This record gives sequence, structure tokens and C-alpha cells, in this order.
Amino acid sequence: GAGVSQTPSNKVTEKGKYVELRCDPISGHTALYWYRQSLGQGPEFLIYFQGTGAADDSGLPNDRFFAVRPEGSVSTLKIQRTERGDSAVYLCASSLTGGGDTQYFGPGTRLTVL
Amino acid sequence: AQSVSQHNHHVILSEAASLELGCNYSYGGTVNLFWYVQYPGQHLQLLLKYFSGDPLVKGIKGFEAEFIKSKFSFNLRKPSVQWSDTAEYFCAVTPPGNQGGKLIFGQGTELSVKP
Repeated sequence: GAGVSQTPSNKVTEKGKYVELRCDPISGHTALYWYRQSLGQGPEFLIYFQGTGAADDSGLPNDRFFAVRPEGSVSTLKIQRTERGDSAVYLCASSLTGGGDTQYFGPGTRLTVL
Repeated sequence: AQSVSQHNHHVILSEAASLELGCNYSYGGTVNLFWYVQYPGQHLQLLLKYFSGDPLVKGIKGFEAEFIKSKFSFNLRKPSVQWSDTAEYFCAVTPPGNQGGKLIFGQGTELSVKP
């Protein structure tokens, strides 16, 4: 079956611009996670959705970062006033119900801020 | 700060050699433990996980890991590696009391297996 998909695969933007990154989870998965992976590092947790609600947003680095999941499936990560330090691969994962369920990762979106 | 540490940044082995990758975490209490793998050009995928019970966990592709509570460790092992095991390996932990299952990852170990 279809896995987690993310679009775009690559995004290049200029400092100060606004970007949106999209995640399509596996159908039927209620839990959705966003992570950020910088070069040479492991993924860093950003936010977790259970259904439509953000159950844990403790990893969002500041108020320039925001994510939504309005219908409990597709999620969008939004970054305002991008900075060069935001350059990273943004990963999305979904799991059936959250908790200890296996998280299935997408291919990621590589964001480059010039 | 509470964290997950992987001791080796890059490991190079010949085929048929034995593998052990170290992972330590600094959280007290009950944690869930995971090893993920990322093959070149592919997504992160789960190798194995430990929640409770037998501390020796078997995963896919002949990998296993041992949870040693007293050492806060969850080392990954494979008796005989193959060229196809070349990948990056990540240890991850769900912190105590976290119901949602967020993962805290180590920095990763790149494994290169020479044919």
C-alpha cells in the first residue's frame, strides 16, 4: 500500500520568505509526527498530532513554526520569516494510533534557505 | 540535558565481521527503545523495538539488541554483516511518561561494509 508521502521533495527559498511543507500520512493512521534532521544529526522531534489536534508541540523551536492537520489526515508545516538555520530535511511520520505503534517515515522535504 | 548517545559516528567493517553499535540514554524511569535504519536513498525504517519483557530483542534482517537497564544501554548487534547492511543506524527513545510516542534520536552511526 501507499506509504507516507511528502511534498515538495526539495524547496529552495530566500531568507525571510514563508514556506509550507505537506505530509500525506498512511490512510487510517491517526497519529502524525514532524521531525527535523540537520546534516550529521539524528531527527529532532517537532510536533505530534492525534487526529486534528496538536497533542505535543514541545519541539517547535519558536513561534515562526506552525503546523496544522485540519481534517485529521494531511498535515502542513508552515515556517514564517525563514532563516538560514532552518535549512534541514523535514521528516513526517505516521502511526496507527500513536503511543508505541511503529512510526512510518516519509522521504522528507529538503529545505534550503539562501 | 536528557539525551540519547551513539558512541560511534562511522564504523567500517568487512563482510562477515560481527557488528555492535552502542546506544546509551540518560532518562530515568521506563522508556521505550528503538533502532531505526536508513539505507542509501531510502526512508527511515524500524529495525526493532523494546517495550518490556525479554531484554534481548530480535528484529529484521538478523539484527538483535540487548536492553541493559543498569547501564542505560540498548546496543545493536549482528553476528555477520553483509554489504547490504551499509546504512545509517539510529537509536531512539520514547521518554518516560510520554503517551504520544515522540522519538528522541541519537546522532546516528554510519556503517560501511566492504565486500
